[in-house]
This record gives sequence, structure tokens and C-alpha cells, in this order.
Amino acid sequence: AQTVTQSQPEMSVQEAETVTLSCTYDTSESDYYLFWYKQPPSRQMILVIRQEAYKQQNATENRFSVNFQKAAKSFSLKISDSQLGDAAMYFCAYRSTNNNNDMRFGAGTRLTVKP
Amino acid sequence: DAMVIQNPRYQVTQFGKPVTLSCSQTLNHNVMYWYQQKSSQAPKLLFHYYDKDFNNEADTPDNFQSRRPNTSFCFLDIRSPGLGDAAMYLCATSRGLANQPQHFGDGTRLSIL
Repeated sequence: AQTVTQSQPEMSVQEAETVTLSCTYDTSESDYYLFWYKQPPSRQMILVIRQEAYKQQNATENRFSVNFQKAAKSFSLKISDSQLGDAAMYFCAYRSTNNNNDMRFGAGTRLTVKP
Repeated sequence: DAMVIQNPRYQVTQFGKPVTLSCSQTLNHNVMYWYQQKSSQAPKLLFHYYDKDFNNEADTPDNFQSRRPNTSFCFLDIRSPGLGDAAMYLCATSRGLANQPQHFGDGTRLSIL
């Protein structure tokens, strides 16, 4: 079974600075999808960014970008120009193309943004 | 706005007393999921419906059941809640494609007395 590992339980960043959250995964599949979700305190989980494994180009969404290294099975999230509203729990997730329900989440990284 | 709505936001029940959590969606997505999320942990998938087809995770306790009477609604029934079932329960929906993200509700926080 696929596993997703987020090795940083907590991270902090100064407002306006850049932070990178790490994610690695284990799979034997060649085609899959990767997601980063954000869960602010007491608020719903929302999608930040997604990456198709067959695409070599790293996904970018405004201040959020990923560094997808397929061979290394690494999928890190970079947040540029951090804002106070970025403070949240961030979950990395893997989704198989073979099994529609197979969405695996990492344990999460709690990001604190310091003013 | 189209969304996933979970009611109630907070639910308190007594040990062993059946409880039902509800989820509705206006996205017309064909897949609906229920996750259990304990404090500072990743969401854990309990089961999902692909249209009317129910798919149970192998390690979901028998205590947990689900119903989906129509496309818009899905219920989580906990027949005899134990103290270990206290958690946040998240409902999510998606289109039936692997590249489609899941859309989450606000969750229901369940407490057991």
C-alpha cells in the first residue's frame, strides 16, 4: 500500500519569507496524483495545489509551487511571500489512478507564520 | 455557492448511544467519502460511495455504517459509540476521476460522554 510521509510535524516562517514543506511517498505505481491540502484551525480542508505524476513540469498556483521529484518520490510545497493567513495544517496526499478511493494522507505539518 | 455541508458542527452523545452525522452536497459529485480525523493526525478514510456502490475500508470498525439515500446526501451512523470514537468526522466529495480533488465539508466534531 502507498504511504505518505511528512517528516516535519511543525514549521514556522516569518511573514513575507519563503518556506518549504517536505513530503515523500512510497509507491510502485507509475501514474498517480499528488495533492497538498490546507486545513486552517476550525475550518474546512481546502485544496492548495495538485500535480499529475506524468507531468514533468512542477505545478504552480500563485504563491504556492511544488518541487516534484518523481525518481526520488518527493513532493515538497514551497510557499513564497508567506502571509498570516497561510498559518494552517498542511497535508500531503497521494491518489492512485487504479483505485478511485485510494487517497492517502500524510500526518500533516503545522505551519506557523510569525508577524 | 456550491458546497459540502455537514450537520451538526458539534455533536455530543453518550457512550453507547447511537448517533448519526449528516452530509449534503450541491456539487452533484458522484463520489462521497467519510473520514475520521483525530487530533493532530491525518484523516483516515472510513468508507466511500461511488454512486450507489458502497466501499468499506478493511479496517473500519463494524460499529460504523453509512447510508446514501440519494446523490446529495450521505449519513454516517455510529451504532454504539465508544470513547475512542471521539474525533472530527469529515465528509468529502469528488467526481469519479482520480485527478479530481476532494471537496471537504467543515466537519462534525463528535464528543462522547
